[in-house]
Amino acid sequence: GQQLNQSPQSMFIQEGEDVSMNCTSSSIFNTWLWYKQDPGEGPVLLIALYKAGELTSNGRLTAQFGITRKDSFLNISASIPSDVGIYFCAGQTNYGGSQGNLIFGKGTKLSVKP
Amino acid sequence: NAGVTQTPKFRILKIGQSMTLQCTQDMNHNYMYWYRQDPGMGLKLIYYSVGAGITDKGEVPNGYNVSRSTTEDFPLRLELAAPSQTSVYFCASSPARGQPQHFGDGTRLSIL
Repeated sequence: GQQLNQSPQSMFIQEGEDVSMNCTSSSIFNTWLWYKQDPGEGPVLLIALYKAGELTSNGRLTAQFGITRKDSFLNISASIPSDVGIYFCAGQTNYGGSQGNLIFGKGTKLSVKP
Repeated sequence: NAGVTQTPKFRILKIGQSMTLQCTQDMNHNYMYWYRQDPGMGLKLIYYSVGAGITDKGEVPNGYNVSRSTTEDFPLRLELAAPSQTSVYFCASSPARGQPQHFGDGTRLSIL
C-alpha cells in the first residue's frame, strides 16, 4: 500500500528556533494535510494543501505542496513552548484502492531542549 | 461546539470480551472514519463510511465491525477482544471525500 516517509522522527527545539519537517512518498497525492496532536487529544488540522506548488501559511506555520506532488514540508518559525507535540502529515489520492482516504506519516515529535 | 465526540475515553477489557466504542458528530458530515494509533506509528484506517447505511473496510479491519444507521453516529464494535487490539482509537468525520477530517479525542483501550 501507499506509505509516507516523515522526517525527522523527533527533534528538540529551543524557544525562538525555526523548525522544519517533511514528508515524502513514492506515490502522487492530490491533497496534503498537516495535523498536530497534543498528549491525550486527537489530531487537529493545521494546514491543508490542494495544489502542486501551493504555499500556505497559518500564523508562524508555513507548508508547501511539492511540485512533483510526492512531498510536502512544514516550517515553524520562532518556536514557542506550546509548539511541542506530535506533527503528522497526511496525503490523499483520487485513485486506487485507497481513493479519497488519508494516508498518515508516522509523525514528528517536537520536544523542548533540556 | 461539540464536533466529534467519542465515548468512553478509557476502557480496560479482558481477552474475549466485547465492547462498542461510540462516536457521534454534530456537523452533519457524510463521511466518518475509525482509526487506530499504536505507539510511534501514524493512524491506520479501520473502517469508513460515506453516508448512512454505507460502510467499507480500511487498511486494518480484521477483528472489528461497524454500522452507520444515522448520519451522526458511527459505532465501532470489537466482538472478541485480543491483546493486539490494545491501542488508541480515533473517530473522525469530513463533509466530503478529500476534505480535511476532524478528529475526536480518542478512546484508550487496553486488553489484558
